[in-house]
Amino acid sequence: EPEVTQTPSHQVTQMGQEVILRCVPISNHLYFYWYRQILGQKVEFLVSFYNNEISEKSEIFDDQFSVERPDGSNFTLKIRSTKLEDSAMYFCASSEAGGRRDGYTFGSGTRLTVV
Amino acid sequence: AQSVTQLDSHVSVSEGTPVLLRCNYSSSYSPSLFWYVQHPNKGLQLLLKYTSAATLVKGINGFEAEFKKSETSFHLTKPSAHMSDAAEYFCVVSDRDSGTYKYIFGTGTRLKVLA
Repeated sequence: EPEVTQTPSHQVTQMGQEVILRCVPISNHLYFYWYRQILGQKVEFLVSFYNNEISEKSEIFDDQFSVERPDGSNFTLKIRSTKLEDSAMYFCASSEAGGRRDGYTFGSGTRLTVV
Repeated sequence: AQSVTQLDSHVSVSEGTPVLLRCNYSSSYSPSLFWYVQHPNKGLQLLLKYTSAATLVKGINGFEAEFKKSETSFHLTKPSAHMSDAAEYFCVVSDRDSGTYKYIFGTGTRLKVLA
């Protein structure tokens, strides 16, 4: 069964450093997403991406965050200057038709720890 | 605005007994509803989805859920719990808000299965 692949599975970074979280969505999917889950809290929407541009973003997704699809297969989330409160599990997801009927396929997540 | 309420943060059942995980939703439009499962240190796996077809939806691993519009509920059930069902379960609504469909997660229900 096709999978969404995320790397790395765990990243530790110092506060103020830039991090890039990488995702390889399912090849025929057109919609891409990032969600995060702070430990003990609910899963929160960050951003959706379609047709090479952001289609929607949440209040969490401020100027410190950016997404990119650099080469037609990878989908990355960059955090420019990490803060302690960015520590969370970050999930990438993709869908073929927008997620309303087909559902998302999530990756297994990247656990980001900011120290 | 759309929202999802999972009524129980923790549920404990004995192996072989029925499972009931409760979910109520609020939506301005005709929603799509999903249940996802997260095993420890794993990603989010789609259990089942409701997308305005049959109101009783069957998913993987013997789970099913019934969409009840009059009660705005989408409870997840399984006739007989297995030890491997121990995990966190998320009820999700996908709804059109600002033009895109995004997922709104419930706070999750942690299912414990006792031997």
